[in-house]
Amino acid sequence: DAKTTQPPSMDCAEGRAANLPCNHSTISGNEYVYWYRQIHSQGPQYIIHGLKNNETNEMASLIITEDRKSSTLILPHATLRDTAVYYCIVPLYNQGGKLIFGQGTELSVKP
Amino acid sequence: ETGVTQSPTHLIKTRGQQVTLRCSSQSGHNTVSWYQQALGQGPQFIFQYYREEENGRGNFPPRFSGLQFPNYSSELNVNALELDDSALYLCASSLPGGLANEQYFGPGTRLTVT
Repeated sequence: DAKTTQPPSMDCAEGRAANLPCNHSTISGNEYVYWYRQIHSQGPQYIIHGLKNNETNEMASLIITEDRKSSTLILPHATLRDTAVYYCIVPLYNQGGKLIFGQGTELSVKP
Repeated sequence: ETGVTQSPTHLIKTRGQQVTLRCSSQSGHNTVSWYQQALGQGPQFIFQYYREEENGRGNFPPRFSGLQFPNYSSELNVNALELDDSALYLCASSLPGGLANEQYFGPGTRLTVT
C-alpha cells in the first residue's frame, strides 16, 4: 500500500469541526484514499473514500489535494461519540480488499 | 450496526490448542476478510475469501486457515496456538472487485492464549 502518515493524536472541542490530516505522497494515479475509524472495543467502521474529487456523505467530508499527496477528513460538528482512532488507508490497486492499517490518529473530542 | 456477527465474543485457550472463530456476513456480501488486532496496534490482514476460495493472504503462517461456506459465512481456524496469538480477531464483509475495500466489520472475537 502507499505509505500513509498521520499524527498520533488530536483533540477537538465538542461541536467544532475536526480536521484529520493524512499524507500519502507515494500514492499512484489509480489508488483511492479510504478512511475508517475504530471506537474503543468495537470493530473498525468505514467512513468514506475518494480518488481525486472531494467527497461528502452523512458522516464526513474528504478533501484531497490536487496533487493527491495528502488528504483531510473533516467531521463538521464533532460529538463525544466521534472519539476514536481514525485510519487513513491507501490500498494497492491490484490487491482489492487487503486493507493495511497503520497506527492512525487518536481523536479525543472534549466537552 | 453493520449486520456482521462474530462468535464467540470472548475465548480463552491454552498454548498448543486449536480454535475456530465464526463470522456471518452482511446480507448480500460474498467476500469475507479476516484481521488480527494485537493490543494497541492497528488490525493486520490475515486473508480474504471470495466464492469459497482464498483470495489473498497476509504475512501469517499456514496454521492460520479459513473456510467460506455457500451462504458466505466464514470460519477462521488457528492450530497450535501460541501466546502471541492473543488478540482481537475481526472479520469484515464486502462486495468483490472494486468495492472490496469498503468493508463492514463485526465486533470481533477476543482470544486469550495462556
